[in-house]
Amino acid sequence: EVQLVESGGDLVKPGGSLRLSCAASGFSFSNTWMTWVRRAPGKGLEWVGRIKSNSDGGTTDSAAPVNGRFSISRDDSKNILYLQMNSLKTEDTGVYYCTAERELSGWYGTYTWFDPWGQGTLVTVSS
Amino acid sequence: SSEVTQDPAVSVALGQTVRITCQGDSLKSDYASWYQQKPGQAPVFIMYGKNRPSGIPDRFSGSTSGDTASLTITGVQAEDEADYFCNSRLVFGGGTKVTVL
Repeated sequence: EVQLVESGGDLVKPGGSLRLSCAASGFSFSNTWMTWVRRAPGKGLEWVGRIKSNSDGGTTDSAAPVNGRFSISRDDSKNILYLQMNSLKTEDTGVYYCTAERELSGWYGTYTWFDPWGQGTLVTVSS
Repeated sequence: SSEVTQDPAVSVALGQTVRITCQGDSLKSDYASWYQQKPGQAPVFIMYGKNRPSGIPDRFSGSTSGDTASLTITGVQAEDEADYFCNSRLVFGGGTKVTVL
């Protein structure tokens, strides 16, 4: 069964740090680009960042609001994705999901989508 | 601009048809993907372009015209009440809350 399980969410004070983990199973994790998405209370889904597979360079991209504060890494030997969050702000509060980025290309163009998704882990930044 | 825009909310009577749209310049060249999210649950991938992944009911369909991607639910069921998000070039739309009357 394809599965993603996040952990590490907690209550943290502004300026604090937290590391989220996402354990993957049931698919070829090492060959998959992985992504973090969050949903703040009362808001929509927000793409946070991604890490490419090591065979594609292992580079990361992140959204402007978290650039320089959050970093994404992966341990392919353990099939785990990480999100290191530093200098946390109250606006970082929300449920954080990990998901796999998929792509299909052909003469018709390129399709990109996110599947599967983990159940999410709650991060609360508050004093 | 990579921004994609959705209407915040739509209501539909049980058994009727609802179309949810997603508009943005990126959709002129890239296909949208769509996600359904119910309260307290993780998002579920339900459409890429006009293609449904396995397990998604055929009452869901997708299309694109110009800078607008659409998700249509034909014969809406009570369990379709949820938030729906489009995505294009890693950017999510703001989401559309579908209420079933």
